[in-house]
Amino acid sequence: DAKTTQPPSMDCAEGRAANLPCNHSTISGNEYVYWYRQIHSQGPQYIIHGLKNNETNEMASLIITEDRKSSTLILPHATLRDTAVYYCIVRVNRGGSGNTPLVFGKGTRLSVIA
Amino acid sequence: DTEVTQTPKHLVMGMTNKKSLKCEQHMGHRAMYWYKQKAKKPPELMFVYSYEKLSINESVPSRFSPECPNSSLLNLHLHALQPEDSALYLCASSTPRRGANGYTFGSGTRLTVV
Repeated sequence: DAKTTQPPSMDCAEGRAANLPCNHSTISGNEYVYWYRQIHSQGPQYIIHGLKNNETNEMASLIITEDRKSSTLILPHATLRDTAVYYCIVRVNRGGSGNTPLVFGKGTRLSVIA
Repeated sequence: DTEVTQTPKHLVMGMTNKKSLKCEQHMGHRAMYWYKQKAKKPPELMFVYSYEKLSINESVPSRFSPECPNSSLLNLHLHALQPEDSALYLCASSTPRRGANGYTFGSGTRLTVV
């Protein structure tokens, strides 16, 4: 699985958009970009994933550059409850039992400030 | 039921004690995982069970002994632990049909070894 690089920490004002970058310059053609987050003292939670098109769901938007070497997770209106560590993970999404387990990098600690 | 339930939530044990952590899910997921997380670090994979068989052991010391009695239950038996084993122990489950976006994590057991 390709390596990812994320800033160790970011601040965001409550109500503003939080834009979390992830660099994955060695990504290969069949690797997806996944985002999980971990709120303090809870288990990680899936947010969103994509291959090459931009994606949006009820939690966030994912913008992947055309060359797929980087991506940005956007929380459109951050709240205090979005304070968490955000993990960007790149891996192949094989079906059946061929998947390797989820492995976490260091992530970005997002602090949403009132 | 869309949850992974871990018990107990907190555990304090002495270095000579034997204790067990329990994890349960009723989502029909056939892969289950144990992760260990130290403070301010990402979760680290310990064990993977696939269809009730141990498929990955990430060189975990034998004082940690996993068990998967059935497809819904995962245990982690602890014996002769060291203070440095104090951590948050996370259980997760997944279904191969959904790949890396299909992981569900429990809230963890916070273990303190005294």
